[in-house]
Amino acid sequence: DTAVSQTPKYLVTQMGNDKSIKCEQNLGHDTMYWYKQDSKKFLKIMFSYNNKELIINETVPNRFSPKSPDKAHLNLHINSLELGDSAVYFCASSQEGGFLTGELFFGEGSRLTVL
Amino acid sequence: GEDVEQSLFLSVREGDSSVINCTYTDSSSTYLYWYKQEPGAGLQLLTYIFSNMDMKQDQRLTVLLNKKDKHLSLRIADTQTGDSAIYFCADQGNNRLAFGKGNQVVVIP
Repeated sequence: DTAVSQTPKYLVTQMGNDKSIKCEQNLGHDTMYWYKQDSKKFLKIMFSYNNKELIINETVPNRFSPKSPDKAHLNLHINSLELGDSAVYFCASSQEGGFLTGELFFGEGSRLTVL
Repeated sequence: GEDVEQSLFLSVREGDSSVINCTYTDSSSTYLYWYKQEPGAGLQLLTYIFSNMDMKQDQRLTVLLNKKDKHLSLRIADTQTGDSAIYFCADQGNNRLAFGKGNQVVVIP
């Protein structure tokens, strides 16, 4: 059973399109995250939700809109895609915000390529 | 937790030891972490150290923490081909994990 699953794994699209990436975790965790990993492997947090409430919103363009219908799901919708959005997007989850042990459980990533 | 620095690339022969270094800036972190990313996969927590410890040993892994210099290192003994991956250190500040740039380790058989 996959603990944190993301779909799609690969996404190739044209500039200006709108796309979504979905994430689900079956670990019963309260907190979910979206991270962006660029071509140099640098990993930066974008958003974090705790029990469906937004708790971290980094300086991310408002073309990116996360949605958490319940605490097991955190989806990422991106409007008007730009070339610079090409990256691997990782969903992660943790219990109690990960503050105690910092253990995040990551999905396998969704590679977005914008042409 | 914004500036976590790591070197980029290390190749090591199978059976040798490898050492990866990291410097961090957030001295308020309670824990410091090492994560491993295998090709095509997400990150996995490898080990962590409590900030009031100098050293932690976990099987083939040894974590050293120098709080004065804000320096964290990971030593992998008897490196194996399955250790080929990118290793990220992370500190914990502002209620989030901030990751370093990663260090790619390539194990040569």
